[in-house]
Amino acid sequence: DAKTTQPNSMESNEEEPVHLPCNHSTISGTDYIHWYRQLPSQGPEYVIHGLTSNVNNRMASLAIAEDRKSSTLILHRATLRDAAVYYCILRGSNQFYFGTGTSLTVIP
Amino acid sequence: DAMVIQNPRYQVTQFGKPVTLSCSQTLNHNVMYWYQQKSSQAPKLLFHYYDKDFNNEADTPDNFQSRRPNTSFCFLDIRSPGLGDAAMYLCATSAPPGHNTEAFFGQGTRLTVV
Repeated sequence: DAKTTQPNSMESNEEEPVHLPCNHSTISGTDYIHWYRQLPSQGPEYVIHGLTSNVNNRMASLAIAEDRKSSTLILHRATLRDAAVYYCILRGSNQFYFGTGTSLTVIP
Repeated sequence: DAMVIQNPRYQVTQFGKPVTLSCSQTLNHNVMYWYQQKSSQAPKLLFHYYDKDFNNEADTPDNFQSRRPNTSFCFLDIRSPGLGDAAMYLCATSAPPGHNTEAFFGQGTRLTVV
């Protein structure tokens, strides 16, 4: 199954944009790129997903490289409530396999 | 409204005593998953059901079993819990691939083995 690589941790100042990178060099043509986040002691929460084109929703934006080997989750204005572990996942078959994720710290 | 419900939220069981964790969904999704998440680690997929078809991950120990009596419910059975099985257990659902939808997770059951 395709793997994802993310930085272990990142920091951001409150109300500034955050760009969370993900590398997925072994992605196949039918794999969707999903992002989830997990707050302490809670289940993962869906953030956004896409296939080829950039995507926007109320939570975030997803920028997908033209060759699809990397993507970036963009939080436009980080808040303290955005502090979480963010997981980038490829979904081609039924399974959702989690990578190690990025722990985002938001500094007031 | 909660769409994937796990009961109980916290479960304490004795070493070696069988325990069952429950998951229900109101989404009518075909696919249901069980994940194990240990402290400071990412969720690890144990197995999933596509309708009644059971799909075990290659490295899931035999100690872990699952049942899906109908679309709405799925159970995780741990036949002889060891101290190393203490973890958060997450249930999730999704539509099949090609339906372009996300996975929905429950809040998890935190299992303690004493």
